[in-house]
Amino acid sequence: AAGVIQSPRHLIKEKRETATLKCYPIPRHDTVYWYQQGPGQDPQFLISFYEKMQSDKGSIPDRFSAQQFSDYHSELNMSSLELGDSALYFCASSSLSRVSAFFGQGTRLTVV
Amino acid sequence: ELKVEQNPLFLSMQEGKNYTIYCNYSTTSDRLYWYRQDPGKSLESLFVLLSNGAVKQEGRLMASLDTKARLSTLHITAAVHDLSATYFCAVITGTASKLTFGTGTRLQVTL
Repeated sequence: AAGVIQSPRHLIKEKRETATLKCYPIPRHDTVYWYQQGPGQDPQFLISFYEKMQSDKGSIPDRFSAQQFSDYHSELNMSSLELGDSALYFCASSSLSRVSAFFGQGTRLTVV
Repeated sequence: ELKVEQNPLFLSMQEGKNYTIYCNYSTTSDRLYWYRQDPGKSLESLFVLLSNGAVKQEGRLMASLDTKARLSTLHITAAVHDLSATYFCAVITGTASKLTFGTGTRLQVTL
């Protein structure tokens, strides 16, 4: 069965650069969630989209933005990167029934 | 604001022993999820609990939900080393626009 696909898997950027993370949800899933997980931390909610509209916003810095496109894939754009942005970034998707939410493999972002 | 707490945060147990991880949440919720995470890896869905009294079992793991007490438990029976991982519970509210995770329980099963 198709899973949530994230790209890239690994990304190394310098401070003040920008990064774009992509997420391709499971087919027919209409909701996408983005999470940030620092070392030894629980996943922190950043933002979610339902049917291409932002549905909730968490502790997402103003330097970050995200959107969901017509094909339901989503992108997280991160600008003016800081060392503290180094983390695992997960995308998850679910359907309207939200019986289950499945996570992608994550993107490990390292800011140097 | 919804708060989700797990205990213990860290659990070291011997193979063959039983133990329970607890997940408390602060507001009414529609459903509760349990995930497993190996270091540096993704979150693997274990259980989804949809109603009061729900009980689900998979192998040596059994999860239950008491919505009145706002409590879920993850019971480990006869632990084996392969169960070593971090276990998270996550709660979704009626608005269903985000999952709120617990603090995680790092389980270490020793031989």
